[in-house]
Order: sequence, then C-alpha cells, then structure tokens
Amino acid sequence: DVKVTQSSRYLVKRTGEKVFLECVQDMDHENMFWYRQDPGLGLRLIYFSYDVKMKEKGDIPEGYSVSREKKERFSLILESASTNQTSMYLCASSPGQGGYEKLFFGSGTQLSVL
Amino acid sequence: AQTVTQSQPEMSVQEAETVTLSCTYDTSENNYYLFWYKQPPSRQMILVIRQEAYKQQNATENRFSVNFQKAAKSFSLKISDSQLGDTAMYFCAFTHGGSQGNLIFGKGTKLSVKP
Repeated sequence: DVKVTQSSRYLVKRTGEKVFLECVQDMDHENMFWYRQDPGLGLRLIYFSYDVKMKEKGDIPEGYSVSREKKERFSLILESASTNQTSMYLCASSPGQGGYEKLFFGSGTQLSVL
Repeated sequence: AQTVTQSQPEMSVQEAETVTLSCTYDTSENNYYLFWYKQPPSRQMILVIRQEAYKQQNATENRFSVNFQKAAKSFSLKISDSQLGDTAMYFCAFTHGGSQGNLIFGKGTKLSVKP
C-alpha cells in the first residue's frame, strides 16, 4: 500500500517563525499536493507539484511556498507564520496518470500558530 | 470556475438504516470526474467511490452507491445498512480531465451513525 507520511501530527509555532511541513511518499508518485482543511471550509489546495522542481499554485498560495528537490519529498514552507495559518494541513500524492486516479493522503499536521 | 456544494453540514442516521448525502457541482467541462472521500476521526482521508462523467451507469462499491444526474449536476452518495464505522466527515470532490488530479472539494458533511 502507498504510504504518505507527514513528519508531525501536531505542531505549535510562534507568530513570525519560519515553519517547514514535510511530506514523503514511498510509491514513486509523480504528483504531490498540499491542502489546508478548516472547519466549514472543506479542503483547499495550496500548491501542487507534478514533477521534481516543478510547482503550481493552487487556490490559496499566499503566505506559503513549496519545495520539491526529490521526487518522494514535498515540503510546505510558511515563511513567516501568522495566526490565520492555524489549520490542519494535508499532504497527498497520486501516480500522475490523469484526473481519474485517486489521491493518497497523509494523516495530516494540525498546526497551531500562537 | 468549478465549484462543489454540499448543502448538509451535519446528518445523522440510525445503524442499519439508509442515508443519502447531497452534492452539486458547477462546471463547463465535458470530461470530468467526481469523488466521495471519507475522513473518520483518525483524519485519514479514504476514497469511498468515484464516477467518470461520461459513464451513465451509477458507480457502486458494496454498501455505497451514487446517484449521478449529469444534467442537474448532482452527485449524491447513498450509504445502505449504515454501520457505526461509517461515522465520519464526507467530502464530495471534482476534477476535470485535463487536470493533474488536483481535486476541488466541497465543505463536507459530518455524518453520525447512532446505535
């Protein structure tokens, strides 16, 4: 089974800190995604990557950046964390064959910015 | 722009009963795909069922089935013989054929199955 691993389940950071959220997948998937989940808002796409060093903005990229130096790893970076970035962050991957394939999700990182 | 709407923030059902979760979407695309994902308290998102827009036959997966009404842009999920383990958030999602698989999600429906 595909495994998508997010490095932290819970994270507490201070306003202004630089925050790294790490995601690793073990099935050689081409595509990787970062979503943000908030109650009453569902999941919203922050960034995605369809190849190493390639990235595309999603619906809410402001305040975030990403890095994909290796195929299996996709990092989400909060350059200067703010309280409105307190949220659940979900990483996902997919093989890259097209729109019908399912996404494989990590278990999420609940980030609190104080 | 594509949108996905789930109009029921919360629902409850008795164990062994049937429940239907609603989802509507808006798109100008002809080639697209629709999904239902489940998120139990463990937070792990699990694919429940998916439907290709060009297929008229409704998808089924064991106790889960969809009612896909393309003209009405409606994609509801029916859960039969509800079980306590079905308690979860359910998200309807959309992607179009030319995408890289990035999904657009609805806001979710919290389903509680009561014993």
